[in-house]
Amino acid sequence: DAGVTQSPTHLIKTRGQQVTLRCSPKSGHDTVSWYQQALGQGPQFIFQYYEEEERQRGNFPDRFSGHQFPNYSSELNVNALLLGDSALYLCASSKDQFSSSYNEQFFGPGTRLTVL
Amino acid sequence: GQQLNQSPQSMFIQEGEDVSMNCTSSSIFNTWLWYKQEPGEGPVLLIALYKAGELTSNGRLTAQFGITRKDSFLNISASIPSDVGIYFCAGPFLGSSNTGKLIFGQGTTLQVKP
Repeated sequence: DAGVTQSPTHLIKTRGQQVTLRCSPKSGHDTVSWYQQALGQGPQFIFQYYEEEERQRGNFPDRFSGHQFPNYSSELNVNALLLGDSALYLCASSKDQFSSSYNEQFFGPGTRLTVL
Repeated sequence: GQQLNQSPQSMFIQEGEDVSMNCTSSSIFNTWLWYKQEPGEGPVLLIALYKAGELTSNGRLTAQFGITRKDSFLNISASIPSDVGIYFCAGPFLGSSNTGKLIFGQGTTLQVKP
């Protein structure tokens, strides 16, 4: 049973560029959430996707956008990269909101983004 | 806004010792989650708590949901070197117990000396 997978594992970009990160959820999960984790900090919620729509959003600018596909996989896009966007980007999957374990989110290994 | 405060910030202990850490908030939570993160990896869910006063174990790990609903505790008994990592508490944002929008504490870093 495959867990949450993310690609790529590492990425180096320059300021102003755009980046796309990818995530495949754990088998049986249909909800995908994205988090940003700065060095030495806990993960911060970016947004969540369910049924191919953004259902909730954290305190992140519109430069951060996403997409969910019919097979539940998801992408995170960041435009006009800033130095401060350098972080570990984590994808987490969970069962739908009608499940009693909805808040139990399972994380992938993350994508380490460095912006120069 | 909601915040989770973890203490201690870091711990350096001898192998075989027991470990206690806690997580507090000024807001009520209906769910508490404990995660462990190792270098280069994503957080791994250790224990989920859903009821005030609940005590749940996972091997040598035991977590408790505080009766005030504003805190939670994690204990590790007889620590071993592979317990090394950062332990995070987390809970869903205020307003619903079922938002799926988690906030995290800043973590407790555990180091174990063999």
